[in-house]
Amino acid sequence: NAGVTQTPKFQVLKTGQSMTLQCAQDMNHEYMSWYRQDPGMGLRLIHYSVGAGITDQGEVPNGYNVSRSTTEDFPLRLLSAAPSQTSVYFCASSWNAGAGGELFFGEGSRLTVL
Amino acid sequence: GENVEQHPSTLSVQEGDSAVIKCTYSDSASNYFPWYKQELGKRPQLIIDIRSNVGEKKDQRIAVTLNKTAKHFSLHITETQPEDSAVYFCAAENTGGFKTIFGAGTRLFVKA
Repeated sequence: NAGVTQTPKFQVLKTGQSMTLQCAQDMNHEYMSWYRQDPGMGLRLIHYSVGAGITDQGEVPNGYNVSRSTTEDFPLRLLSAAPSQTSVYFCASSWNAGAGGELFFGEGSRLTVL
Repeated sequence: GENVEQHPSTLSVQEGDSAVIKCTYSDSASNYFPWYKQELGKRPQLIIDIRSNVGEKKDQRIAVTLNKTAKHFSLHITETQPEDSAVYFCAAENTGGFKTIFGAGTRLFVKA
């Protein structure tokens, strides 16, 4: 099992550009989520999904879109990148959605917006 | 929504000493409290968790305590070793709410 796989690992964008961060898991987890990590602010929840076709907003959803067409994939789209979106992004999945279970994180994607 | 506060932000201890990290949460409906460790440049990984029907849980050198009345929980690491140096995150989840909310993190330095 590869676990949770994120691509790309590094990306530099210019303000106003759009891009998609890819996330895939091979553990058949129903629950998937995206976090951003900024110095001194911990991990903040952007969006999450409890199954294919179902998504919802987290703490900081503005400027990001998600979709969940399959159990395996949960891409995060930046519609018009801004310098405030410079961050490290982590995708996570869990087998125990809504019942308190371990989050399995990907390796992270470092995004810089100039 | 849930808010989790974590203290201290930085903690430096001598090898062999104990380390304690404290967190408070705001949503009384939260009932699952995991702790994650993140080594430099790596992904966060679960080290221990506790549910609201339990007051204390221990796993070798690490233990977590929960006080539901006061809405706070703590991580205790005994006999610290240099490999314990990392950032530690507490979190709270309202099961059924599907959101795991994290504290800001504590950077632990263990000096040899």
